[in-house]
Amino acid sequence: EAGVAQSPRYKIIEKRQSVAFWCNPISGHATLYWYQQILGQGPKLLIQFQNNGVVDDSQLPKDRFSAERLKGVDSTLKIQPAKLEDSAVYLCASRSDSSNYGYTFGSGTRLTVV
Amino acid sequence: GESVGLHLPTLSVQEGDNSIINCAYSNSASDYFIWYKQESGKGPQFIIDIRSNMDKRQGQRVTVLLNKTVKHLSLQIAATQPGDSAVYFCAENSGGGFKTIFGAGTRLFVKA
Repeated sequence: EAGVAQSPRYKIIEKRQSVAFWCNPISGHATLYWYQQILGQGPKLLIQFQNNGVVDDSQLPKDRFSAERLKGVDSTLKIQPAKLEDSAVYLCASRSDSSNYGYTFGSGTRLTVV
Repeated sequence: GESVGLHLPTLSVQEGDNSIINCAYSNSASDYFIWYKQESGKGPQFIIDIRSNMDKRQGQRVTVLLNKTVKHLSLQIAATQPGDSAVYFCAENSGGGFKTIFGAGTRLFVKA
């Protein structure tokens, strides 16, 4: 099966600019996650979707971050305006409801804010 | 709050030796644990998991041990190979909501 697709792979922006990341999960996976991974740290959950509904966004900085999953398939994560501390890899993962295993992650988008 | 931590940030082993990566968790309500491997430039990759009603689970060259009494998890890699060089994360789930919390990771170096 095809993996989780993310784009772009890399993005460099200036602080206060906006940026958007895109994720296409594995076909049929109802659950989708966005994680933020700062260099040298483990991934931190930002938001969890079940189909097109938000299950958990308690760790999402809602003053600047937003995410949507229209039609319960693709998802976008947006940052507006970006801060220097947003520099990180943004990982998307998906999971099938019938799976007993962990997530399948994409390769991530590496964001550098200068 | 919840936390998952690792005892050692870096582990260096000789090719062919066995590797043991340790992890401590603090949430006694966690009922599902996963080990992930992350290579440079890639997302974490599932290695093996274990549920809280088990003490041990074996996969191909990997074994996970769970000690609920001391809230400790370990990953054993047999006959470590250069391709095993990566950062290893333990992660925990609790409450049935399948929200995974990751630890900080251990970097494994395999010396040829």
